[in-house]
Amino acid sequence: AQTVTQSQPEMSVQEAETVTLSCTYDTSESDYYLFWYKQPPSRQMILVIRQEAYKQQNATENRFSVNFQKAAKSFSLKISDSQLGDAAMYFCAYRSPNTGNQFYFGTGTSLTVIP
Amino acid sequence: DTGVSQDPRHKITKRGQNVTFRCDPISEHNRLYWYRQTLGQGPEFLTYFQNEAQLEKSRLLSDRFSAERPKGSFSTLEIQRTEQGDSAMYLCASSPPPVGYPGANVLTFGAGSRLTVL
Repeated sequence: AQTVTQSQPEMSVQEAETVTLSCTYDTSESDYYLFWYKQPPSRQMILVIRQEAYKQQNATENRFSVNFQKAAKSFSLKISDSQLGDAAMYFCAYRSPNTGNQFYFGTGTSLTVIP
Repeated sequence: DTGVSQDPRHKITKRGQNVTFRCDPISEHNRLYWYRQTLGQGPEFLTYFQNEAQLEKSRLLSDRFSAERPKGSFSTLEIQRTEQGDSAMYLCASSPPPVGYPGANVLTFGAGSRLTVL
């Protein structure tokens, strides 16, 4: 099974500053999907951003962008101009289109935004 | 369609009792997933349905767990003879067919059903 590693259990950022959350994964596949999901306290998990492995261009969604390094199997999330509402658990996830339909999640990074 | 709905949101039960959770996915999503999430951990895959067929089951899913998706619409997850180790958040998520649909290959989650076994 693929593994997804988030090595930062907790991160903090000052409001309006930029923070980067790290994610690495282990796979032997060449085609796959990567995601960042956000889970605010006591609220449901929502998609932040996704990346198809065959696309070399890094995905961007407003203040959220990724740095996808396929050879290094690294998929970090950059949050610019951090807002109080960005405080949440962030999960990195991997999905293979080939070996079943499971989505594999990391253990998460808890982000605190300091006013 | 307002998203993925789960019921109940919170269930407190005594050890040894049976519990059942229900998930109503987004109507055009033919794929439905159940995950379990414990405190401080990411979601762990339990099982997956494509339409009414249960195509994958995790080794985490013991014989006390059973899931159904009759007619390919809503799904139920039943836990028999609950144990304290079953205490967790049970998440349901759905996904449209992988090709030709907006949001393909993306999971949409429900709010979860939190189980507390005393």
